[in-house]
Amino acid sequence: AQSVSQHNHHVILSEAASLELGCNYSYGGTVNLFWYVQYPGQHLQLLLKYFSGDPLVKGIKGFEAEFIKSKFSFNLRKPSVQWSDTAEYFCAVTPGRNYQLIWGAGTKLIIKP
Amino acid sequence: GAGVSQSPSNKVTEKGKDVELRCDPISGHTALYWYRQSLGQGLEFLIYFQGNSAPDKSGLPSDRFSAERTGGSVSTLTIQRTQQEDSAVYLCASIPRRGSEAFFGQGTRLTVV
Repeated sequence: AQSVSQHNHHVILSEAASLELGCNYSYGGTVNLFWYVQYPGQHLQLLLKYFSGDPLVKGIKGFEAEFIKSKFSFNLRKPSVQWSDTAEYFCAVTPGRNYQLIWGAGTKLIIKP
Repeated sequence: GAGVSQSPSNKVTEKGKDVELRCDPISGHTALYWYRQSLGQGLEFLIYFQGNSAPDKSGLPSDRFSAERTGGSVSTLTIQRTQQEDSAVYLCASIPRRGSEAFFGQGTRLTVV
């Protein structure tokens, strides 16, 4: 079955630390890839997306993600995190470019001021 | 409207009562999802509508749950004979076209007492 794995369920970092959140998916064909963020008390919103082209995509608030097809991965990165990045981060995949969305379990990120 | 609208934003109900949750997707969006997010948990898929196709109900946890989407627009999620374990935030998302990102509403926080 198609699935999305986020390996880290909880991550705690200090401000200015670098961040990398892992996301791996199981699907051999064409995919669209997404990272969503949910700040405390707010609704889910899109952080960045990959459809095609340059595998390094940049999103809002200094986040970026790299699509590595050979590793079936789409890891999220930020070179220097801020306290305001405290949130839950979800990776999602649309396999075969249809309407189906498959979600990872989410990673709770806590940034210590 | 500008975004996905859900109502009510909060609902407290007594165990055993029926509830209806409403989702107004963004106009013209073809697909609509319902998800459930329990405290500390990720996104649990419930049901998915796409155009005029039969909905994918594979995520509904029991026959107490049902949903409909009228005229390809507004959707209603109904929970009959509510139980305490139904307490969660119910999220609606709409997708404009194949492979696109999902746009989420603010959710309905359901509390069953």
